[in-house]
Amino acid sequence: RKEVEQDPGPFNVPEGATVAFNCTYSNSASQSFFWYRQDCRKEPKLLMSVYSSGNEDGRFTAQLNRASQYISLLIRDSKLSDSATYLCVVNNPYSSASKIIFGSGTRLSIRP
Amino acid sequence: DAMVIQNPRYQVTQFGKPVTLSCSQTLNHNVMYWYQQKSSQAPKLLFHYYDKDFNNEADTPDNFQSRRPNTSFCFLDIRSPGLGDAAMYLCATSRDIGGGTDTQYFGPGTRLTVL
Repeated sequence: RKEVEQDPGPFNVPEGATVAFNCTYSNSASQSFFWYRQDCRKEPKLLMSVYSSGNEDGRFTAQLNRASQYISLLIRDSKLSDSATYLCVVNNPYSSASKIIFGSGTRLSIRP
Repeated sequence: DAMVIQNPRYQVTQFGKPVTLSCSQTLNHNVMYWYQQKSSQAPKLLFHYYDKDFNNEADTPDNFQSRRPNTSFCFLDIRSPGLGDAAMYLCATSRDIGGGTDTQYFGPGTRLTVL
């Protein structure tokens, strides 16, 4: 089992739709969680950190469920510019193995 | 203003010919990372420096080495590139590790082609 798993998609949704992704992680000691977006042939850019209390930034909402070991990203009123790959990142700074694990990404395509 | 800079953006090398990729940062962050990302795959951490302390991932091939001569600069050396090393190489920095200070900021990447 991969340490961080994401549904690769692609998710193909119409503009204005709400879309949600999940990401599961296997190491219960993981400490920090992030969502990054990556456009084709570009570097990953931080979208938002994910906190236990949940956090919202405009149309984007991130949640962390430690009991079930997953994080989620909700995008409301999706725009064409939201088309990208969304990477889940899990960090366990106290792990003896790899401390930072990226999921393989979920591709999102917004159609007009 | 660019905060994490990578040079060159595109590098072509020959099979077996050593190559060095460069990363610099203006953020004065303690931690610098090197990732390898192949097409349609997640970035894979190769190693990171916490200040001068080098931390190698267990599965990083010996062919990959790194140097960090000062806080601002970090280099990735590929001693004998193989065809399988063709990828995007991403440099990232973070202020610290853990405790909410581990947000990573990425450079634009260097795309390596091996002929």
